Amino acid sequence: QQQVKQSPQSLIVQKGGISIINCAYENTAFDYFPWYQQFPGKGPALLIAIRPDVSEKKEGRFTISFNKSAKQFSLHIMDSQPGDSATYFCAASSSGNTPLVFGKGTRLSVIA
Amino acid sequence: GAGVSQSPRYKVAKRGQDVALRCDPISGHVSLFWYQQALGQGPEFLTYFQNEAQLDKSGLPSDRFFAERPEGSVSTLKIQRTQQEDSAVYLCASSLQGANTGELFFGEGSRLTVL
Repeated sequence: QQQVKQSPQSLIVQKGGISIINCAYENTAFDYFPWYQQFPGKGPALLIAIRPDVSEKKEGRFTISFNKSAKQFSLHIMDSQPGDSATYFCAASSSGNTPLVFGKGTRLSVIA
Repeated sequence: GAGVSQSPRYKVAKRGQDVALRCDPISGHVSLFWYQQALGQGPEFLTYFQNEAQLDKSGLPSDRFFAERPEGSVSTLKIQRTQQEDSAVYLCASSLQGANTGELFFGEGSRLTVL
């Protein structure tokens, strides 16, 4: 049973465009929702994270939108650049006893 | 280096061999995690340590998988009698905090190929 469902599987965006990746979860105990970025041959690295007490968090070109009632959250990358080309993973965990679980990933390609 | 260090980076094993994968976490990090990442998939949780205590091993796929962190620092993931389905990248991560809601710092992984 996949705890975090991520879409789309792959995404191609023009340079300067907006990249949007979506995630849905079922476990209402989740209270921490990070996004990780992974380049080929490297480990995932934290990009941005949100907790359910806010509906949006912005850091530079990256924004998380969180909808608690719908149990969904999304990553928006504004002004996408070729250097943003990577695989992005949404994840979720609870401060109780659930370790971080990851979505299956979205492979983003930003083309000039 | 100040990051999480994993060795070996690449390991090729014949089916049935035992392998050991090492993780050096960031100094002072309390928590250590092992994840398995199959090709084209997201990381799958294997096990979690807080200091030397293994608090969660619910993700270990079989009793052929064993992890330890005897002194609360370096950790070893051991896979006995490797099978082809064990082929994956094994990621180690450490975290300063003891709970499950802090940033995880990942190593570059150990890629295991079982022939």
